Order: sequence, then structure tokens, then C-alpha cells
Amino acid sequence: NAGVTQTPKFRVLKTGQSMTLLCAQDMNHEYMYWYRQDPGMGLRLIHYSVGEGTTAKGEVPDGYNVSRLKKQNFLLGLESAAPSQTSVYFCASSFRTSGSRTDTQYFGPGTRLTVL
Amino acid sequence: AQSVSQHNHHVILSEAASLELGCNYSYGGTVNLFWYVQYPGQHLQLLLKYFSGDPLVKGIKGFEAEFIKSKFSFNLRKPSVQWSDTAEYFCAVKENAGNMLTFGGGTRLMVKP
Repeated sequence: NAGVTQTPKFRVLKTGQSMTLLCAQDMNHEYMYWYRQDPGMGLRLIHYSVGEGTTAKGEVPDGYNVSRLKKQNFLLGLESAAPSQTSVYFCASSFRTSGSRTDTQYFGPGTRLTVL
Repeated sequence: AQSVSQHNHHVILSEAASLELGCNYSYGGTVNLFWYVQYPGQHLQLLLKYFSGDPLVKGIKGFEAEFIKSKFSFNLRKPSVQWSDTAEYFCAVKENAGNMLTFGGGTRLMVKP
């Protein structure tokens, strides 16, 4: 199993450009997440999905869009990149998170994005 | 909104010293608690988690954490650190009925050989 993979690993954009980050998981997980990591702020949830075809906003959704057309893939889009979106982006997945039991989130290796 | 505080931003220890990293959260209801570790250049990995039962949780690599409900705390401990424990450590909390993890700001640990 590859676990959670992310492409690309690095990307440099100019302000106003668009791009899509791809997250793929091979663990048959229902739940998938996109986070951004900034120094001193930990990880903040951008968007998440509780199943194929469903998405929801997290803590910092503005400027991002997501899609979950297939269960194993979760795409994060930046329509018009801004310097404030310079960050490291992590994708995660889990089997389930609700109810009396919770499952671990498994993280991908991250994408380092710089917006000039 | 839920918040998670890690008061120690940077910690420097010598090998064999004992470690305790603080984590406090704000939510008053039932929570699930996690500690993740991020080694240099790597992605986050789960160290340990608590969702019910014994409040003293043991994780991988000799780490443990204690859930103290009355103090809203979930501190991470290790009796004797190694150079290989150099990493950034994140506490995370999830409301039992919710879908979202809230992370603390992280603590960078450097262990000197």
C-alpha cells in the first residue's frame, strides 16, 4: 500500500495563477481532508469530505475549492493564487471519525507551494 | 470554536533527559485526543491517541500521555529522550461527535547528543 500520496511535491506560482493539488489514498477510506501548515500555527483544516461526491468547509476555506469525484481522490484547487497561500499543504484520510469511536488520520508527504 | 494550546514552542534537551510537552484544549464536551509527530522533512505520524478508558495512554517509541479532564489537558511525556526524537510535536483534539481535528501550534523539540 502506498497510503496517502500527493502530487506535486513542490510548486511555485505567480499571483493570479491557478493550480490543482491531487491527493490519492489506497486504503478505501471514506473521509479525506486538506490542511495547510504555517509556522507557529499548526495545521488548519481547509476543506474535508465524508464520502464520494460530498465536501464541506473547514476552518480556512476561502480561496480554495475541492472536489471528490472518486472515493480515492481528493483535489484541492486554487483559482487565483495569492502570496498568503504560500504554505505546505497536507492531505489526510481516515476510515471514519464520527460516533463513539474515532479512527486515525493518515497524512500524505505534503506539497510545498510558493506564490510570488 | 475549539482551540488547542501548546505552550512550549521550542524545547531543547540533552539525551536521556525527561520530556513533558503541554497541551490544553477549550472544548467542554467529550473529546478525542491525539499527539502527532513530524520528523524533519517527513509527514505527520500518529504517536498516540485517546478516545475512552484509561486516561494514561501509551504510544510508540516510549511516549505516553495523560488525559486530565478537569484540567482540559493531554500532556505528552517520555522518561528519557533520544537524539532521534528531534522533531515537531502536535497535539490535536476532535469533538467526539464532530468531523474536524483542531491542531495546536506545535512544539519543536531538539535533542542534543
